[in-house]
Amino acid sequence: DGGITQSPKYLFRKEGQNVTLSCEQNLNHDAMYWYRQDPGQGLRLIYYSQIVNDFQKGDIAEGYSVSREKKESFPLTVTSAQKNPTAFYLCASSPQGFGSYNEQFFGPGTRLTVL
Amino acid sequence: DQQVKQNSPSLSVQEGRISILNCDYTNSMFDYFLWYKKYPAEGPTFLISISSIKDKNEDGRFTVFLNKSAKHLSLHIVPSQPGDSAVYFCAAHTFGFGNEKLTFGTGTRLTIIP
Repeated sequence: DGGITQSPKYLFRKEGQNVTLSCEQNLNHDAMYWYRQDPGQGLRLIYYSQIVNDFQKGDIAEGYSVSREKKESFPLTVTSAQKNPTAFYLCASSPQGFGSYNEQFFGPGTRLTVL
Repeated sequence: DQQVKQNSPSLSVQEGRISILNCDYTNSMFDYFLWYKKYPAEGPTFLISISSIKDKNEDGRFTVFLNKSAKHLSLHIVPSQPGDSAVYFCAAHTFGFGNEKLTFGTGTRLTIIP
């Protein structure tokens, strides 16, 4: 059945290491998004991509990088430049990137802990 | 600058009664508003939405009301059930080529008391 998968569910890394979070969708959605959730805060947009081979910075892009080489995949790299990387990361997708309103569908999330 | 605000971090309601969750916004360019429900360690799931040109949308036990003049929306759940215990996020949609996105509030944790 269709959906969004994020792996792994829990991830531990040492400070100073880059880490890549996986996000895959088989919903044939054009747009994909990465959010970060911290305790007591809403979801904050890191990066989004409305079409393959194109992406834009969200509200908190510093210290992160993404790629969108395939429609179904939108990996997020948390670099050593991200000052507070420990958080819950959520990937989402929506049917169309441009034009009409579309609700976003979320994956189960990856909890990243930097030690 | 928090454009979407949920001023109540938590709310407790008895089972069977009405739950009312509130959300305020500042950007008059938002064209759609959505409510998402989130359980711990899971991704949010879409609950209900409303266009900025409407003032009410209903889906089963869930009703969303929009007051554009007050820049306020609310989610009513009636009757409340134990499975409704979760964190509820209000989100607002911005339309624009190359700039389409959702802006989320900070969430309200709803606890239904049996």
